[in-house]
Amino acid sequence: KQEVTQIPAALSVPEGENLVLNCSFTDSAIYNLQWFRQDPGKGLTSLLLIQSSQREQTSGRLNASLDKSSGRSTLYIAASQPGDSATYLCAVNSGYSTLTFGKGTMLLVSP
Amino acid sequence: DAGVTQSPTHLIKTRGQQVTLRCSPKSGHDTVSWYQQALGQGPQFIFQYYEEEERQRGNFPDRFSGHQFPNYSSELNVNALLLGDSALYLCASSYWEGNHGYTFGSGTRLTVV
Repeated sequence: KQEVTQIPAALSVPEGENLVLNCSFTDSAIYNLQWFRQDPGKGLTSLLLIQSSQREQTSGRLNASLDKSSGRSTLYIAASQPGDSATYLCAVNSGYSTLTFGKGTMLLVSP
Repeated sequence: DAGVTQSPTHLIKTRGQQVTLRCSPKSGHDTVSWYQQALGQGPQFIFQYYEEEERQRGNFPDRFSGHQFPNYSSELNVNALLLGDSALYLCASSYWEGNHGYTFGSGTRLTVV
């Protein structure tokens, strides 16, 4: 059974800092990994999708890496802004047409 | 290009009642999945529909049932509601073929009192 862990559970940083969110998974036999953003009480917004054959994906100030063999992914956010404040969720697709999610990292960026 | 649409946005029901939630997938997507998200937790997979059939099911009781229509839209039904069913219900759509990732809707907040 796939299990996904996200560290830290919460993070508070001043505006402008670069930061790293971590995601680990127990079964390395994955199809892809997807990072989502969730604002309070809202749905999920897809940020980045990394296929199992890829090492990283970039979108603007966001960069996600994947090390399938060690069961790890990181989401790097450059030059953080107050608008980045949200919960970030990591989800793994292990090939059974379902996503397994971590509990998320709650990020607060203060002005 | 419309994304995933869910209705209603909020719902309050009494224990023992039944509820139906609705989802329209992103244009072009043929597969719909439903997730339950309790407060402070990651979403948990309920089930997935493709070609109007349930293809995968998570660890949820039979009180949770669903349907997919020929136009790919879907419904989630929950019978005999319990207080513990209070959660955010998320619908996600995708392509059945390939690994293109999932698009989520804004969710339906269900409160059982």
